[in-house]
Amino acid sequence: GQQLNQSPQSMFIQEGEDVSMNCTSSSIFNTWLWYKQDPGEGPVLLIALYKAGELTSNGRLTAQFGITRKDSFLNISASIPSDVGIYFCAGPGGSQGNLIFGKGTKLSVKP
Amino acid sequence: NAGVTQTPKFRVLKTGQSMTLLCAQDMNHEYMYWYRQDPGMGLRLIHYSVGEGTTAKGEVPDGYNVSRLKKQNFLLGLESAAPSQTSVYFCASSYTNLAKNIQYFGAGTRLSVL
Repeated sequence: GQQLNQSPQSMFIQEGEDVSMNCTSSSIFNTWLWYKQDPGEGPVLLIALYKAGELTSNGRLTAQFGITRKDSFLNISASIPSDVGIYFCAGPGGSQGNLIFGKGTKLSVKP
Repeated sequence: NAGVTQTPKFRVLKTGQSMTLLCAQDMNHEYMYWYRQDPGMGLRLIHYSVGEGTTAKGEVPDGYNVSRLKKQNFLLGLESAAPSQTSVYFCASSYTNLAKNIQYFGAGTRLSVL
């Protein structure tokens, strides 16, 4: 089945640094979703992208839908301790349009 | 507005025991899903439902059964728990599974099978 490859798997950064992560697919997606999972909680939607080339921001977070429609990027500017968590990309690549998820990027922020 | 509520939050089972995880949503969503999350594996779909009275298999359905008797509830059952089913289970719901499929998740059930 289809897979989403997320990188990096984990990141350890200093507070105030910018963060970049990406997600790639072997096939074309028409939607990209980015979720964040806080420790001990369920994933929460951060940003949804619906058009190739689309750039969308949510506070300090910016996500882009790649032109090839096979990738997406998430950037976090000026990271803070509460950015800690696992970031998942997702897209409708499963059977009957169900979402498939990347394996996540685990972010750790040192104050 | 509670969103998606899962019960229980934690459970420890012995091998061979059975249990049911309950998911309830108050958003009038048609679609509901059960996932399991294992370290380094992301979220994998177990079963899903496209409406009241319907269920379908996902990516990893073996060892699990589900029922959707009411639109707002989606139950996940383990008939004979195995250590390989130790995981964190998440329920989610969505209005549609078309292009703008945004799923809303519960807080999870942490299950250990000894």
